[in-house]
Amino acid sequence: QKEVEQDPGPLSVPEGAIVSLNCTYSNSAFQYFMWYRQYSRKGPELLMYTYSSGNKEDGRFTAQVDKSSKYISLFIRDSQPSDSATYLCAIQTGANNLFFGTGTRLTVIP
Amino acid sequence: GAVVSQHPSRVICKSGTSVKIECRSLDFQATTMFWYRQFPKQSLMLMATSNEGSKATYEQGVEKDKFLINHASLTLSTLTVTSAHPEDSSFYICSARTFNRGLNEQYFGPGTRLTVT
Repeated sequence: QKEVEQDPGPLSVPEGAIVSLNCTYSNSAFQYFMWYRQYSRKGPELLMYTYSSGNKEDGRFTAQVDKSSKYISLFIRDSQPSDSATYLCAIQTGANNLFFGTGTRLTVIP
Repeated sequence: GAVVSQHPSRVICKSGTSVKIECRSLDFQATTMFWYRQFPKQSLMLMATSNEGSKATYEQGVEKDKFLINHASLTLSTLTVTSAHPEDSSFYICSARTFNRGLNEQYFGPGTRLTVT
């Protein structure tokens, strides 16, 4: 079983829609949860991180962690064409390396 | 935010030659640097982890004699692909980790696209 599972998509939504991206993980020892955004032919950029269950909001983005279900989500409100990218979840324990999901390709259609 | 640069951004080389890729953390000192490889439409695959002044730790299946990593300082790591072959063509991304506000934060470079002809 992979450490982190993520639906690769692709996911296409109309502009203005709410986007929900999800990952599940297997190891309950994971403590830190991150979302990266990667535009085509670019390196990933850190979008959000959290280390506790619950929601964390940053502008149009909300990261949600449910440790009891080992489930994390990223919500994008009022999606824009510029949000079109691949979104990768990443999870780590303390000082250990990151475990990445496969990434979900999102296209927001104008 | 923390910035990681990579050079070159794109390189084309002939089969059998060696290519060096540089990774620098521009405004912070990285406790650890990582090298990833990414094939089209696939996720990042960790190749190796390196700490300044010590030998890199390679992931299973990654040939350490083919992918030479040098971590000369807290802000510079290099990856040399030796005797490159067409199957080494890929997108190589470095990442630098720093300890900030009680968390290990990892930042990525923009990537280097290697094409071996």
